[in-house]
Amino acid sequence: GAVVSQHPSWVICKSGTSVKIECRSLDFQATTMFWYRQFPKQSLMLMATSNEGSKATYEQGVEKDKFLINHASLTLSTLTVTSAHPEDSSFYICSARFGRAETQYFGPGTRLLVL
Amino acid sequence: GQNIDQPTEMTATEGAIVQINCTYQTSGFNGLFWYQQHAGEAPTFLSYNVLDGLEEKGRFSSFLSRSKGYSYLLLKELQMKDSASYLCAVMDSNYQLIWGAGTKLIIKP
Repeated sequence: GAVVSQHPSWVICKSGTSVKIECRSLDFQATTMFWYRQFPKQSLMLMATSNEGSKATYEQGVEKDKFLINHASLTLSTLTVTSAHPEDSSFYICSARFGRAETQYFGPGTRLLVL
Repeated sequence: GQNIDQPTEMTATEGAIVQINCTYQTSGFNGLFWYQQHAGEAPTFLSYNVLDGLEEKGRFSSFLSRSKGYSYLLLKELQMKDSASYLCAVMDSNYQLIWGAGTKLIIKP
């Protein structure tokens, strides 16, 4: 149980384009989903927390107009990187949990390369 | 402020035992988590402690002392595939996870 999927696994895009990443909880209802970013050999960095049906809460320094998060259902959250630039190239990982005191389970991650 | 401390890197020998420590100072406590992250992959959940004591799960055990703000992850009978980063995370009073920077474990034959 507690399986989280992400799609796509890999994205290569041109600078200036927008990229959408999907995160799905496959066998449980995720009241909260989290989006992280991780640069090579660095720690996980929380970008935002989203609760189903409400606006995401962004961490300090994360541009909410650039990283659009939608959590429209209890099993799906999307992250859209708008007008991507090479410095946005990173490993984006989502996680999901059922209740506020529950374990976070991670998706497999999405590698984004912006050329 | 809130912080989680764990060693940056540890080296151990295949077949041996290694203990990875984690100390924390957080605003409240609602549990401590250990995750394993192989290079280039997402973290996977290993263990959860909310009460003092030892939780054993196969070759892996996790210990918690809330009064000391301390936990450790014990890995027995080390295998080469255990080479990974081990992340300690504490859930604070707002149910937010505070992450340690991770301990890179290198297993040598």
